[in-house]
Amino acid sequence: DAKTTQPPSMDCAEGRAANLPCNHSTISGNEYVYWYRQIHSQGPQYIIHGLKNNETNEMASLIITEDRKSSTLILPHATLRDTAVYYCIVREISGAGSYQLTFGKGTKLSVIP
Amino acid sequence: DADVTQTPRNRITKTGKRIMLECSQTKGHDRMYWYRQDPGLGLRLIYYSFDVKDINKGEISDGYSVSRQAQAKFSLSLESAIPNQTALYFCATSEGGRQETQYFGPGTRLLVL
Repeated sequence: DAKTTQPPSMDCAEGRAANLPCNHSTISGNEYVYWYRQIHSQGPQYIIHGLKNNETNEMASLIITEDRKSSTLILPHATLRDTAVYYCIVREISGAGSYQLTFGKGTKLSVIP
Repeated sequence: DADVTQTPRNRITKTGKRIMLECSQTKGHDRMYWYRQDPGLGLRLIYYSFDVKDINKGEISDGYSVSRQAQAKFSLSLESAIPNQTALYFCATSEGGRQETQYFGPGTRLLVL
């Protein structure tokens, strides 16, 4: 059973912010939200992760709602190189299943010139 | 230089042949993983290893075997390849612990005729 729901595809104009939503309404207090992306059959690339607070790194920002039931990945200035499939994943913080990353179908982001 | 490397990058083989896919990492991580990806689908876990003496089956281990020769090396074997094992194969590594982030290799594209 999928733990996350993402739109299958999105477009974004080059230079604009790309906001990718993810619903994870059944997330537990023991689970992180992770984002990965995969550029055209390359190996998935880690982007960012968070638990409760908003997070920012050199690649992106992650906004998690207060109830933790949804999140948004923000690419502040999308470039053509950001065209990829973006995966939102929930993962246990600890315990027997903490190694598991369950990849769904993700969101295909197309950055348009 | 890539931290996680996979060889070969592309392979064509025939039904019934035994083949081995190799993965090496320079990240010093204890944990290593093998995934497969079919067109339009997410990644599925085949096998994982938390250290040299620890090997575990993943979601879809039937028809596959693995060998952890050293901390840095994790090989996947198809004992008798069949056409439905045609897929993109990824190796990944992680440090383990609460902040587990998996880092993926570039992938091996396998075609079984």
